Amino acid sequence: TQLLEQSPQFLSIQEGENLTVYCNSSSVFSSLQWYRQEPGEGPVLLVTVVTGGEVKKLKRLTFQFGDARKDSSLHITAAQPGDTGLYLCAEYGNKLVFGAGTILRVKS
Amino acid sequence: SAVISQKPSRDICQRGTSLTIQCQVDSQVTMMFWYRQQPGQSLTLIATANQGSEATYESGFVIDKFPISRPNLTFSTLTVSNMSPEDSSIYLCSALGHLNTEAFFGQGTRLTVV
Repeated sequence: TQLLEQSPQFLSIQEGENLTVYCNSSSVFSSLQWYRQEPGEGPVLLVTVVTGGEVKKLKRLTFQFGDARKDSSLHITAAQPGDTGLYLCAEYGNKLVFGAGTILRVKS
Repeated sequence: SAVISQKPSRDICQRGTSLTIQCQVDSQVTMMFWYRQQPGQSLTLIATANQGSEATYESGFVIDKFPISRPNLTFSTLTVSNMSPEDSSIYLCSALGHLNTEAFFGQGTRLTVV
């Protein structure tokens, strides 16, 4: 099982600011997913990236997959308090293995 | 999509006892998993629940401590045996959707061992 590193571990920002969360691996991802989890709930899938260099957008969220498929980033533009939560990257293969997670807090 | 119901949602248990957590999916799924999560931290995979055969455990987790059943394609249970305060955590059930491209999660069971 490869190790997924996420950074930063914690991010506290003001509403309207931009932010980027990173996910890195020591080896190539088969495919990578980003999840968001709110307190008291299970994680919910945001996106799946499969192809090196792939960029996907989901409203104010932009997901990039590195050309070598060993890293990924999640960029949020003009963050809102509703974006607050735990963001998790995960390698998807025959099972789902999660990174350490990034706690995002957006203050109004 | 798949809707997953987990129960109990929370429990406070005495050390040395066992708790069985139930997970019900609203449709047949091929893959089901059990995770453990400390509040504010990531999810750690405990095991893959295999229908009709023994669960596949991850390193650091053993069947005697976390027996798992999967009698059919929509239901699984996880038992936390001989509990100690170190077992206090959130336990989550997960299933892959029918296209096996997305994981769905229950709301979790918050366990406190006193």
